[in-house]
Amino acid sequence: EVVLTQSPGTLSVSPGERATLACRASHSISNNFLAWYQQIPGQPPRLLIYGASSRATGIPDRFSGSGSGTDFTLTVSRLEAEDFAVYYCQQYGSSPYTFGQGTKLEIK
Amino acid sequence: QVQLQESGPGLVKPSQTLSLTCKVSGGSISSDGYYWSWIRQQPGKGLEWIAYIYHSGRASYNPSLKSRVDISVDTSKNQFSLNVSSVTAADTAVYYCARDNRLAPVTRGAFDIWGQGTMVSVSS
Repeated sequence: EVVLTQSPGTLSVSPGERATLACRASHSISNNFLAWYQQIPGQPPRLLIYGASSRATGIPDRFSGSGSGTDFTLTVSRLEAEDFAVYYCQQYGSSPYTFGQGTKLEIK
Repeated sequence: QVQLQESGPGLVKPSQTLSLTCKVSGGSISSDGYYWSWIRQQPGKGLEWIAYIYHSGRASYNPSLKSRVDISVDTSKNQFSLNVSSVTAADTAVYYCARDNRLAPVTRGAFDIWGQGTMVSVSS
């Protein structure tokens, strides 16, 4: 099973600034099948990024993903109020699919 | 637009079987290229993939839960279901159903549509 470790656990950033979230895998993720989700309290997760760097339908271009192998990054540029949430990475390169423990992005 | 809606008991007693259903609307569960999953989120914790099923009945399970879980599909009702047997307090969670879009290889295993989730508590 691929274990995903996200860092930091909590990230405090001011609106308008950039946030960089990390996801490290215990094993190389096949085909870079890595997704990022945003979860607002009380709501289900929302797919942001798939294939490590492709934005899902309707996702603003201030969200970008990068990385390969075992190290991946989600960058949110020009933070807006609605971006403060919990973010999860998920690998789907091998079964069972696994998620990271999440990074909480909070307003500084 | 495809929407998913979970339904379930809300409260289950320890050692009993938890049964959940996910109704698919706005599209057919039998459409080629879509797999249907259950995912859960224990209180204050992360997400755990439980199982997926295809309209043909082909299924896959997380080994951590496989011995207690059964997933099924009812194409006539456009829904799929999850049973978790011998539940304990550790099965208390929000259970989500989600669509796994396999129309393109790069999205195979990413969940593009989620239900709102249903909270299940295990307690006597």
